[in-house]
Amino acid sequence: HLKESGPGLVKPLETLSLTCSVSNGSISTDNHFWGWIRQPPGKELEWIGNIYSDGRPYYNPALKSRVTLSVDTSKNEFSLTLNSVTAADTAVYFCARRHMMPGSYDFLDQWGQGTLVTVSS
Amino acid sequence: IQMTQSPSSLSASIGDKVTVTCRASQSIGRDLSWYQHRPGTAPKLLIYGASTLKAGVPSRFNGSGSGTDFTLTISALRPEDSATYFCLQGYSNLLTFGGGTKLEIK
Repeated sequence: HLKESGPGLVKPLETLSLTCSVSNGSISTDNHFWGWIRQPPGKELEWIGNIYSDGRPYYNPALKSRVTLSVDTSKNEFSLTLNSVTAADTAVYFCARRHMMPGSYDFLDQWGQGTLVTVSS
Repeated sequence: IQMTQSPSSLSASIGDKVTVTCRASQSIGRDLSWYQHRPGTAPKLLIYGASTLKAGVPSRFNGSGSGTDFTLTISALRPEDSATYFCLQGYSNLLTFGGGTKLEIK
């Protein structure tokens, strides 16, 4: 239902850009945010941030200065840009749908299969 | 909120029962979910709210716990259960994950 796309290789200090296409449903659903997660090789998963269909973002404070999330409801997709990348940004990047409803539990009920992005010259 | 998951790996035989644990650095109520991830595929939600099985997930999967300590139990192991399992806390807006448990089926 979710599929990531974008370059698999980015040069140091350049910008990483990925898009997640949402199929089999509208991106403008209530109680769902759209997010990005990454996993560097051999390391734990890290939440990058999420965005609502109206464009409201929430960023991991650790990455906030370099991350921008956007959403295009006409294309049913959302995007991630990460500036000034270094080798430490090499990771598998996943997109996911976050279920968030007041008074209910918060979890990721749909994921993409992930895409490896390598930062190297 | 830090999530500490153990063990990092385990090996078990078909038909066995295994338990994976996640401990939160502070109370998260029951806002804990479990996922199964096979390499190259999309992670799958198994359990949310600590113990609610997602529709379609076999009842061999069981989640329990509240506060800071949570467990995922997989009974009657099958070959297709070979995967990495991880937990996720949704209590904080800043989601954090457990380190993952790689399950090998002997």
